[in-house]
Amino acid sequence: EVQLVESGGGLVQPGGSLSLSCAASGFTFTGYWMSWVRQAPGKGLEWVANINHGGSEKYYVDSVKGRFTISRDNAENSLYLQMNSLRVEDTAVYYCARPLYTSGWAGFEYWGLGTVVTVSS
Amino acid sequence: QSALTQPRSVSGSPGQSVTISCTGTSSNVGGYNYVSWYQHHPGKAPKLIIYDVNKRPSGVPDRFSGSKSGNTASLTISGLQAEDEADYYCCSYAGSYTFVVFGGGTELTVL
Repeated sequence: EVQLVESGGGLVQPGGSLSLSCAASGFTFTGYWMSWVRQAPGKGLEWVANINHGGSEKYYVDSVKGRFTISRDNAENSLYLQMNSLRVEDTAVYYCARPLYTSGWAGFEYWGLGTVVTVSS
Repeated sequence: QSALTQPRSVSGSPGQSVTISCTGTSSNVGGYNYVSWYQHHPGKAPKLIIYDVNKRPSGVPDRFSGSKSGNTASLTISGLQAEDEADYYCCSYAGSYTFVVFGGGTELTVL
């Protein structure tokens, strides 16, 4: 059974940092790109970042470029998101997501339950 | 403001059909046949119900169907059931730079 379990969320002040983790199991982790998707309160979903199989390619939504860093540890089957210079507008539930296919794009087949990040003074 | 536009809410009675629209541009919905739809019950993980515009993952009932015309994609749910009450999000591939964009979500109420 595929499982994605996020952790690391919490309350942080504006300008602060937080590191999120996603523990993956039930599939060959190295076979898939992985992504972070977030949902701000009362808003829709927003893709945040993704990373290729080996971690050499990383892409970000413009609003987090230079502040967030996605990474992965294939030996530990884990995905990470280091969030620096956090802003109030980064407040959201952050989901770890796996695509349907090992290559190409069709959709996110598996999601975690999410971890809540609140940026507030 | 989400990149894709969905109605905020739709409703229908059990057994009826509802259609949720998702309007984008030629840079996303209109430019690629990579529209996906997700069902999201609050507190649970989103669930992929349609991919590649009109394909259903294994286990998704054929009551759920997808289509696209120009820059607008649609999700139709026929034979509404109480458990269909949820939020629904559309998503489209938007190129290697933007990757994917989502709609703002539609709340489905089963009356």
